[in-house]
Amino acid sequence: ETGVTQTPRHLVMGMTNKKSLKCEQHLGHNAMYWYKQSAKKPLELMFVYNFKEQTENNSVPSRFSPECPNSSHLFLHLHTLQPEDSALYLCASSQEKLAGINEQYFGPGTRLTVT
Amino acid sequence: GESVGLHLPTLSVQEGDNSIINCAYSNSASDYFIWYKQESGKGPQFIIDIRSNMDKRQGQRVTVLLNKTVKHLSLQIAATQPGDSAVYFCAENYGGATNKLIFGTGTLLAVQP
Repeated sequence: ETGVTQTPRHLVMGMTNKKSLKCEQHLGHNAMYWYKQSAKKPLELMFVYNFKEQTENNSVPSRFSPECPNSSHLFLHLHTLQPEDSALYLCASSQEKLAGINEQYFGPGTRLTVT
Repeated sequence: GESVGLHLPTLSVQEGDNSIINCAYSNSASDYFIWYKQESGKGPQFIIDIRSNMDKRQGQRVTVLLNKTVKHLSLQIAATQPGDSAVYFCAENYGGATNKLIFGTGTLLAVQP
């Protein structure tokens, strides 16, 4: 266990559905991230939140909408997805300091299938 | 564009042997590097990291070497065990104020008993 939990672990949704992915970190970290992991491709950073403020949106389509209500919780709201959005969605957290970047701890991911 | 890449997509080793996984990076401004291990059905797990002011760092059974001259990073695993079988990723940070990591595609390490 890394201290980062994600629910659900598996999700199948139609293209017209609306669903949300949830992430919670129990490490007291101040930064949280969403990544997309597709087969045979590098992890793609989607969003970064520092102290609950979004600091990075890596050209992600608007059908993905993140929400960070506090430093321990992160959501990814999904609507009108496409089949190519099927992937493993990973959440991570880290403790960022002025001295520089630190290691990110990942959750187990949500396996999303869009039909 | 800048990228992180891995020389060997698959590495097969015998149990007990040492493993070396290599990674090339292209951004000379990168100042932080990290290795992750990902087992099937799990998220990436932190192994070891190194900052650009170092050229070697050791952990438990693992060593990371950084050669800034040729922009090369390696992960050495001593006495490889079946439990080490996984995909290994390197990642870099371009430096500055961003906490954004750029990941490579990964190397599959297969340990033969």
